[in-house]
Amino acid sequence: AQSVAQPEDQVNVAEGNPLTVKCTYSVSGNPYLFWYVQYPNRGLQFLLKYITGDNLVKGSYGFEAEFNKSKTSFHLKKPSALVSDSALYFCAAHGGATNKLIFGTGTLLAVQP
Amino acid sequence: SAVISQKPSRDICQRGTSLTIQCQVDSQVTMMFWYRQQPGQSLTLIATANQGSEATYESGFVIDKFPISRPNLTFSTLTVSNMSPEDSSIYLCSVEDLLGEKYFGPGTRLTVT
Repeated sequence: AQSVAQPEDQVNVAEGNPLTVKCTYSVSGNPYLFWYVQYPNRGLQFLLKYITGDNLVKGSYGFEAEFNKSKTSFHLKKPSALVSDSALYFCAAHGGATNKLIFGTGTLLAVQP
Repeated sequence: SAVISQKPSRDICQRGTSLTIQCQVDSQVTMMFWYRQQPGQSLTLIATANQGSEATYESGFVIDKFPISRPNLTFSTLTVSNMSPEDSSIYLCSVEDLLGEKYFGPGTRLTVT
């Protein structure tokens, strides 16, 4: 069965420090990987995606993610966290044969000033 | 990018009634999907809305409970029928454009009393 795992319910980081939000996946075929952010009472906003090419993907708001095929991971990173980055982050994936997104359980990022 | 609107943005409904949620996108898209996000949980795909034909439902979701229409390439409705408190969720419309980009609407927050 296809799945996406976000092992951390919450990540706490001080403003200005680097952040990492972890994601691992299990899908059939070549993976299509996505990160979305959800602010309170708002819809999901697309951050970045990996389909093919460079393993390091750059996205919105200074976020980037690294695709690691051997570890089946797609961790979200940012060199310097902002308080305004505090939100709920979802990793999502689908295999090449389908376009149905499977979501992880979400990770709440809390950036302290 | 596709801009998606949903109506209503929120509603409080009584047990046993039905609510129809509308999703409108500002451009023609290939795929439209409906997701549910229960309180404190991740997103679960309900169904794929197919233009001019019956929707394709995921395991655990049935047409009688969640009838879906998609009369054209830019509009879809989801009805939550015979509601119970367990149906209290955020319902999100999602689309995939010709480039394979996926976008989400702002969601409809439903509370069933």
